[in-house]
Amino acid sequence: GAVVSQHPSRVICKSGTSVKIECRSLDFQATTMFWYRQFPKKSLMLMATSNEGSKATYEQGVEKDKFLINHASLTLSTLTVTSAHPEDSSFYICSARGGGPGAYNEQFFGPGTRLTVL
Amino acid sequence: GEDVEQSLFLSVREGDSSVINCTYTDSSSTYLYWYKQEPGAGLQLLTYIFSNMDMKQDQRLTVLLNKKDKHLSLRIADTQTGDSAIYFCAESTSGTYKYIFGTGTRLKVLA
Repeated sequence: GAVVSQHPSRVICKSGTSVKIECRSLDFQATTMFWYRQFPKKSLMLMATSNEGSKATYEQGVEKDKFLINHASLTLSTLTVTSAHPEDSSFYICSARGGGPGAYNEQFFGPGTRLTVL
Repeated sequence: GEDVEQSLFLSVREGDSSVINCTYTDSSSTYLYWYKQEPGAGLQLLTYIFSNMDMKQDQRLTVLLNKKDKHLSLRIADTQTGDSAIYFCAESTSGTYKYIFGTGTRLKVLA
């Protein structure tokens, strides 16, 4: 149980286009979802926290107009990178908590999405 | 703010034990986790420990927590080549649900 999927796993786009990444909790209801960004050979940096039905809370330094997050249902959150530029190229990982087995605070991570902006 | 530090690299021979260390600064940490990340993949939870525990053992994995020194370690017994990956420690505080990740330790197991 407690499986989180992401789609797509890889995306290559041209500079200036927008890209949407989906994060789904497959077998549990996720009250909270998190979006992380991982630079090559670096740690995960939390970008934002989203609760179903409410606006996302962004971490300091993350542009909310650049990275649009929607958490419309208890099983789906989307991250849209608007007007993507090469510096947005990164590995984006989502996680979800709520309803799954394990520790009370446990987050279950998706497999990640590799975004490459040309 | 909170900070979590790890050494960047560790190399061991197959069959030896590996010890990966982590230090954190947030004294209110409630949960501490160890995750494994293989190349190009997401994070796999290996184990976790509550802050009121000193040790937790799970098959080949042993977690030691020194809360006074804010030091966490992960010991992998009989390390195998399949254990080669990046290992992240993370901490969270009850009620916030936010994880703060360490810098990651790249473990290389030599055959």
